[in-house]
Amino acid sequence: DAGVTQSPTHLIKTRGQQVTLRCSPKSGHDTVSWYQQALGQGPQFIFQYYEEEERQRGNFPDRFSGHQFPNYSSELNVNALLLGDSALYLCASSLRQTYNEQFFGPGTRLTVL
Amino acid sequence: QKEVEQNSGPLSVPEGAIASLNCTYSDRGSQSFFWYRQYSGKSPELIMSIYSNGDKEDGRFTAQLNKASQYVSLLIRDSQPSDSATYLCAVAMEYGNKLVFGAGTILRVKS
Repeated sequence: DAGVTQSPTHLIKTRGQQVTLRCSPKSGHDTVSWYQQALGQGPQFIFQYYEEEERQRGNFPDRFSGHQFPNYSSELNVNALLLGDSALYLCASSLRQTYNEQFFGPGTRLTVL
Repeated sequence: QKEVEQNSGPLSVPEGAIASLNCTYSDRGSQSFFWYRQYSGKSPELIMSIYSNGDKEDGRFTAQLNKASQYVSLLIRDSQPSDSATYLCAVAMEYGNKLVFGAGTILRVKS
């Protein structure tokens, strides 16, 4: 049973560039949530996708956008990168009709120079 | 006031002892509660979930929930060096909702 997968593992960008991160949820899951984790902090919720629509959004600017595809996989896009966007980006998958147990992928480490 | 608060630690316990990790949350409407373990450089791993007041046991782990006191705890019995990690408490307002995390407690188990 495949778990949550994310790509790429690591990414280095410069300020002002754009980045796309990808996530495939655990088999059987239909909901994808994205989190940003800065060093020494807990993950911060960015947004959640279900049925190809953004259902909830955290306190992140519009530079952060996403998409969910019919096969439930998802992308996170960040435009106009800032140094402060350097973090571990985590994708979590869950099944909408359950008690919200979310399972995380390995994450993408983004470094903005 | 932070929504979910944890003591940052580090909490140091000897091998074989009981480690007790605590978490408080601010929103009385919270419905579901989770403990994640995160090793350095890795992603969080779900180890316990709890939804109603009382205790829930799974192997060496026991989660305790007291909604009246807005308090969640995790007990790890017979602590092992491999339990050394950061433990994250997460809370959700509604089923299917976003998770709000604490900053985590660093646990060190000394052999």
